[in-house]
Amino acid sequence: AQSVTQLDSQVPVFEEAPVELRCNYSSSVSVYLFWYVQYPNQGLQLLLKYLSGSTLVKGINGFEAEFNKSQTSFHLRKPSVHISDTAEYFCAVSGKSGGSYIPTFGRGTSLIVHP
Amino acid sequence: GAGVSQSPSNKVTEKGKDVELRCDPISGHTALYWYRQRLGQGLEFLIYFQGNSAPDKSGLPSDRFSAERTGGSVSTLTIQRTQQEDSAVYLCASSLISNHQPQHFGDGTRLSIL
Repeated sequence: AQSVTQLDSQVPVFEEAPVELRCNYSSSVSVYLFWYVQYPNQGLQLLLKYLSGSTLVKGINGFEAEFNKSQTSFHLRKPSVHISDTAEYFCAVSGKSGGSYIPTFGRGTSLIVHP
Repeated sequence: GAGVSQSPSNKVTEKGKDVELRCDPISGHTALYWYRQRLGQGLEFLIYFQGNSAPDKSGLPSDRFSAERTGGSVSTLTIQRTQQEDSAVYLCASSLISNHQPQHFGDGTRLSIL
């Protein structure tokens, strides 16, 4: 079984400030990790993914995330946010389960960027 | 190229009616997923199709929910005798088959039950 915990339901931040969105996971097997972004009235879009190799992963729109195996975390960061980054962010973990490939999503973190 | 297409984008219906939601996945994607997203909530897995294998229906909340995937492509999610608690956005996603392939999502169908 696997699970994902996004510790913050809402993160308010001012424009041009740095931000970190937290994600912790649990799994009995090796996992692949993803961050998705959802803008209003749209589906989810992939921001970045960790499969293997370097623990620092860079994604689109200036976002990056660091995989920490010992802390079972995959926190998302951006050094300077823009108003347009206001959206819902979902962390997801994927591992083989019962022969099918069904990722588990966190409950989401709403990033609100203020001018 | 074309992404995942869902129709209708919005559906309003009366309690007790049946509804059908459609998903056209990306061509070549053998895996197809349906999720439910209630207002302000995360994604709730409903059902997963992979090629010609039997679908994983473990997420369907009741026997009023069913889904089909014809010819390994288009999928239809059917909700019978709709209830107010069925009001949500229903998202479809497709991917290449592998647990390290990301999912590609449609924009969803917003279902409102009056």
